[in-house]
Amino acid sequence: EVQLVESGGGLVQPGGSLRLSCAASGFTFSSYDMHWVRQATGKGLEWVSAIGTAGDTYYPGSVKGRFTISRENAKNSLYLQMNSLRAGDTAVYYCARVHAGSWLSYDYWGQGTLVTVSS
Amino acid sequence: DIQMTQSPSSLSASVGDRVTITCRASQSISSYLNWYQQKPGKAPKLLIYAASSLQSGVPSRFSGSGSGTDFTLTISSLQPEDFATYYCQQSYSTPGTFGPGTKVDIK
Repeated sequence: EVQLVESGGGLVQPGGSLRLSCAASGFTFSSYDMHWVRQATGKGLEWVSAIGTAGDTYYPGSVKGRFTISRENAKNSLYLQMNSLRAGDTAVYYCARVHAGSWLSYDYWGQGTLVTVSS
Repeated sequence: DIQMTQSPSSLSASVGDRVTITCRASQSISSYLNWYQQKPGKAPKLLIYAASSLQSGVPSRFSGSGSGTDFTLTISSLQPEDFATYYCQQSYSTPGTFGPGTKVDIK
């Protein structure tokens, strides 16, 4: 059974940093592209970052230069290092597995971890 | 970025009703369109990919159609477990933007 379990969320002050983790199981992690998607409370979904199987990374302008996605295939783990956090980054962060053959489609999601940026 | 819109933003329906949700892209995205279902406090679930392909394990009462800029998600006979929010998403180009969602609740 495919499972994705996020951790590392919490309360952080504006300008602070946080590192999210996503533990994957039930599939060959190294063979899949992985993404982070976030959702502010009561709002829609927003793509945050992506990493390919070769370690290539992608970001939208809203987080580029502040967020870093990485993966550690030996540990079946995905990470998101978030720096210079802003109130607008407050959201539930999901890790998601890319649906085979479609870079921006997600067939499995974690349960999400809440990040709150507030003083 | 490609903008996605959905209509209606919400609808009330009864069990057994046929429900149709539309999604429009700001430019042509061919058939690179996905539909997700999200229930409160849960992660989204992929229902339809490539505009009309049913994801494994998803009931056949869900179907998708369209290409270019206009797309439709249809639930042929609404079931109690289908009350949720539905999002479309374009997978044509990065960022894979989502629509604002359509909330389906009980009439």
